[in-house]
Amino acid sequence: IVLTQSPATLSLSPGERATLSCRASQSVDSYLAWYQQKPGQTPRLLIYDASNRATGIPARFSGSGSGTDFTLTISSLEPEDFAVYYCQQRSHWPRTFGQGTKVEI
Amino acid sequence: EVQLVESGGTLVQPGGSLRLSCAASGFTFSSYNMNWVRQAPGKGLEWVSYISGSSISIYYADSVKGRFTISRDNAKNSLYLQMTSLRAEDTAVYYCARAIGTIDIWGQGTMVTVSS
Repeated sequence: IVLTQSPATLSLSPGERATLSCRASQSVDSYLAWYQQKPGQTPRLLIYDASNRATGIPARFSGSGSGTDFTLTISSLEPEDFAVYYCQQRSHWPRTFGQGTKVEI
Repeated sequence: EVQLVESGGTLVQPGGSLRLSCAASGFTFSSYNMNWVRQAPGKGLEWVSYISGSSISIYYADSVKGRFTISRDNAKNSLYLQMTSLRAEDTAVYYCARAIGTIDIWGQGTMVTVSS
């Protein structure tokens, strides 16, 4: 399953809303996760099963969608949110990641 | 504290072999499925392999199938990745990652460089 993320780069300012998209080449039901990765750091789980926030993740992060179309929304960007975001499906083998969306200032 | 610590990454020649290890602590290792995920320099994440808690289920990415072997030793709380016939395109940081369903915890990674 190919996951296509858009846009590749999102240029926004702190306080603005970020909307990231992940589209699957076939249905993955709700088995989609979102990860955040900052330079030099390990990926961090944000959202699992499309819409569930992981432990300790702020409420400004939300996920939605099912089937083939998914969205990660950051309601109001904080300075620490500028990073690369990846989606990943666990519906089918092999597991696959999207190519990432960079959220930059 | 939940922790995953990878080791074994180094510079290796094309065609060579290498064994990566991941030491787990802070959780009941045998209850969790485990994965290897890699990231080439400046690139995105690529899932490599999966092993269930009991080692009954194992899966590989097509890019490594037949060359890499995943295994685990629950008595030693350890995960392994045996890599053979290494290619330049295998150059990456290799992460060990825990999963119940979704991957939730990642190690810090170990760098594998395949070059002559």
